Amino acid sequence: KNQVEQSPQSLIILEGKNCTLQCNYTVSPFSNLRWYKQDTGRGPVSLTIMTFSENTKSNGRYTATLDADTKQSSLHITASQLSDSASYICVVSGRAGTALIFGKGTTLSVSS
Amino acid sequence: GAVVSQHPSRVICKSGTSVKIECRSLDFQATTMFWYRQFPKKSLMLMATSNEGSKATYEQGVEKDKFLINHASLTLSTLTVTSAHPEDSSFYICSAWRTSGSPDTQYFGPGTRLTVL
Repeated sequence: KNQVEQSPQSLIILEGKNCTLQCNYTVSPFSNLRWYKQDTGRGPVSLTIMTFSENTKSNGRYTATLDADTKQSSLHITASQLSDSASYICVVSGRAGTALIFGKGTTLSVSS
Repeated sequence: GAVVSQHPSRVICKSGTSVKIECRSLDFQATTMFWYRQFPKKSLMLMATSNEGSKATYEQGVEKDKFLINHASLTLSTLTVTSAHPEDSSFYICSAWRTSGSPDTQYFGPGTRLTVL
């Protein structure tokens, strides 16, 4: 069964600290993996997208890694800011044109 | 980046009425659009896949006669919630699949908050 599992479910960190979110998937065939940030009451916004051959991709303070062999991905956030408080969703795409498979997300709270 | 819009952003209606939500891809053509529903603090749940010029494909458990989907053009898909009930209150999000470029990418709309009284 195609699944995407994320951990931790929620996380609280102090402003300025780093954190790493995890994503494991069992999707086959695999096309690409995306990390989205979703603020409360808003639609998801893409942070990174990686295909099978890509191991790491950065977008500002966000760095995503992908290990296609172990089917694991991580999203590292450096020097966290209060505005980073949101839900971070790992999404895996199978065959082109098919629906995405969503993880349940990690809720990040950054406090001052 | 590509933009997908939704209208309205918020709607409040009475039980028994119908509500139409529009999803538009503003700067690319999308033969495939998706409609999702999201409950508070929950992940997005796929409701249906909307294909331009053909009938939508609904996920198991989603009533096609209640959630009417029309994808009349390559830039517009609509979701109509018919005979709305309070349990239909939710956050509805659409996405449009951009197949041009590599890798293909799905762009999400900002969402529509539906409240049924």
